[in-house]
Amino acid sequence: NAGVTQTPKFQVLKTGQSMTLQCAQDMNHEYMSWYRQDPGMGLRLIHYSVGAGITDQGEVPNGYNVSRSTTEDFPLRLLSAAPSQTSVYFCASGKGVGTEAFFGQGTRLTVV
Amino acid sequence: GENVEQHPSTLSVQEGDSAVIKCTYSDSASNYFPWYKQELGKRPQLIIDIRSNVGEKKDQRIAVTLNKTAKHFSLHITETQPEDSAVYFCAASRGQTGANNLFFGTGTRLTVIP
Repeated sequence: NAGVTQTPKFQVLKTGQSMTLQCAQDMNHEYMSWYRQDPGMGLRLIHYSVGAGITDQGEVPNGYNVSRSTTEDFPLRLLSAAPSQTSVYFCASGKGVGTEAFFGQGTRLTVV
Repeated sequence: GENVEQHPSTLSVQEGDSAVIKCTYSDSASNYFPWYKQELGKRPQLIIDIRSNVGEKKDQRIAVTLNKTAKHFSLHITETQPEDSAVYFCAASRGQTGANNLFFGTGTRLTVIP
């Protein structure tokens, strides 16, 4: 049981490049989400999904896209990377309302 | 939206002493309040949580209290140990239709001095 797996762990992008952060969970959780963590700002919700085919925006969605074609996978796409998107990104999954959120190991992204 | 404030931002205690971290929230509809511990370079991990129908919850050396009227909740760690050193985050969620969207505080860096 791997839990929540994110790839890659580290990534450096040039401004304007695009990339996809991968997230997969093997716990059959309906709820999945993406957060970014910046120094002194805690974790902020980017996008979330309550099931396959359903996604919605969180607090800071601009510059990011998501899709949920299967229960297991929830990729996060940066369409045109900007230095302001330099951050640590965490994917999380859970059973739903009022239950534990399980986090992946994070992706440290640097945009130069 | 929800706004969660957390204090203090840093906290140093002697080993064996107690540590208290406080959070306030703004949305009276929030009903789930977890606490996460994050060690350096690691993922956040749940250490304890409380729901709005409960005023206090305890798990060994860790306890959480919730005051719904004042909209604040606190984490209490007793008999602190060096391995308790980490960053602690509080969070709040209103649990809307299947989504457990968490709004986090800005974190407290706890240092336990041996």
